[in-house]
Amino acid sequence: DTEVTQTPKHLVMGMTNKKSLKCEQHMGHRAMYWYKQKAKKPPELMFVYSYEKLSINESVPSRFSPECPNSSLLNLHLHALQPEDSALYLCASSQVLGVWAFFGQGTRLTVV
Amino acid sequence: GQQLNQSPQSMFIQEGEDVSMNCTSSSIFNTWLWYKQDPGEGPVLLIALYKAGELTSNGRLTAQFGITRKDSFLNISASIPSDVGIYFCAGRRAIQGAQKLVFGQGTRLTINP
Repeated sequence: DTEVTQTPKHLVMGMTNKKSLKCEQHMGHRAMYWYKQKAKKPPELMFVYSYEKLSINESVPSRFSPECPNSSLLNLHLHALQPEDSALYLCASSQVLGVWAFFGQGTRLTVV
Repeated sequence: GQQLNQSPQSMFIQEGEDVSMNCTSSSIFNTWLWYKQDPGEGPVLLIALYKAGELTSNGRLTAQFGITRKDSFLNISASIPSDVGIYFCAGRRAIQGAQKLVFGQGTRLTINP
């Protein structure tokens, strides 16, 4: 298995909703990442987990809350989002200092 | 945050033509990566470069890691319609027990049949 799987593929949520994005990989990678990508822009790093511990938070607002329950799973909990948070959210995984893995296919999030 | 200078921003070519794009940085990276992204999908890794001066091919794609470790180029030969998409370069560095990618702004490739 050489894939990073993200669910759901599409999500529409209201500004008062709570939702979660999920990411899963079974490549034995111990580093996992959340990126945010706006239209026609490159991906921007949000969070990095290394060995299931939060390693990097790129000054992301607290309405985004990451969680890494085990070495294969990464969640992004969403609460009280704003319309400007609408974007493609990408998960990725890698060996901690080794070969870079594939990105997931992303979750297209729309906040209404 | 830091970004790489990727050029050109867009290209409009005829099918069968060769394509060249490049990235430059003011700082050194220990790895350069080239990705292709289709609309609504995640980036797909095309080529990874690990050593300064390295020249690597993947089918019709060829990429090189600059000697100074501050630049890289990607060439696509004999373009075909499925090459359409956005190409991103990324420099990688180790940071705080993981890896950080710094992306270029992307090159949007359009092919006229």
